[in-house]
Amino acid sequence: DTAVSQTPKYLVTQMGNDKSIKCEQNLGHDTMYWYKQDSKKFLKIMFSYNNKELIINETVPNRFSPKSPDKAHLNLHINSLELGDSAVYFCASSQGGVTNYGYTFGSGTRLTVV
Amino acid sequence: GDSVTQMEGPVTLSEEAFLTINCTYTATGYPSLFWYVQYPGEGLQLLLKATKADDKGSNKGFEATYRKETTSFHLEKGSVQVSDSAVYFCALNRNRDDKIIFGKGTRLHILP
Repeated sequence: DTAVSQTPKYLVTQMGNDKSIKCEQNLGHDTMYWYKQDSKKFLKIMFSYNNKELIINETVPNRFSPKSPDKAHLNLHINSLELGDSAVYFCASSQGGVTNYGYTFGSGTRLTVV
Repeated sequence: GDSVTQMEGPVTLSEEAFLTINCTYTATGYPSLFWYVQYPGEGLQLLLKATKADDKGSNKGFEATYRKETTSFHLEKGSVQVSDSAVYFCALNRNRDDKIIFGKGTRLHILP
């Protein structure tokens, strides 16, 4: 069983479209995250949710909207996609304090906007 | 603000060579420090961690020691293998929230 699973793995879409990426974790973790990894591999946090409550909301365009229907799921919806949104988006989860256990990452969704 | 600085890559070594990837950090207080590894096409995996000064994290032959006096957490391995080829990320958590701040990653190529 995959601990943190993301779908789809690859997403190619045109500018201006709206798309969603889904994430599910079966670890029983309370906190989930979205990170964006750019073409130079730089990772930047976008959002985090703890038990369905938004905790971290970094400076991200409001075209990006996370949704957490329950603590095992965190989806990312992106409106009016732009070329600069092309990146790999990683979902992650944590439990019991990041200090001791860090994150468990999904395998990523590669988004290409053409 | 808090940040992590890693040596620029790519780093190319021959199999069985000694590896060092430098990492320094800037943070107030006493952060926890991590090394993550990303193999091609995969997500990041926690490699090792240290939560206080002078702690040594180790895993799979890799080691890193939390040096508060030099604000460093350099990654070392005595004898690298081709299978160690990956991107390595140094990271910190400030211990006041759940955010992990990552360095820009160092790509490692090991030649047979």
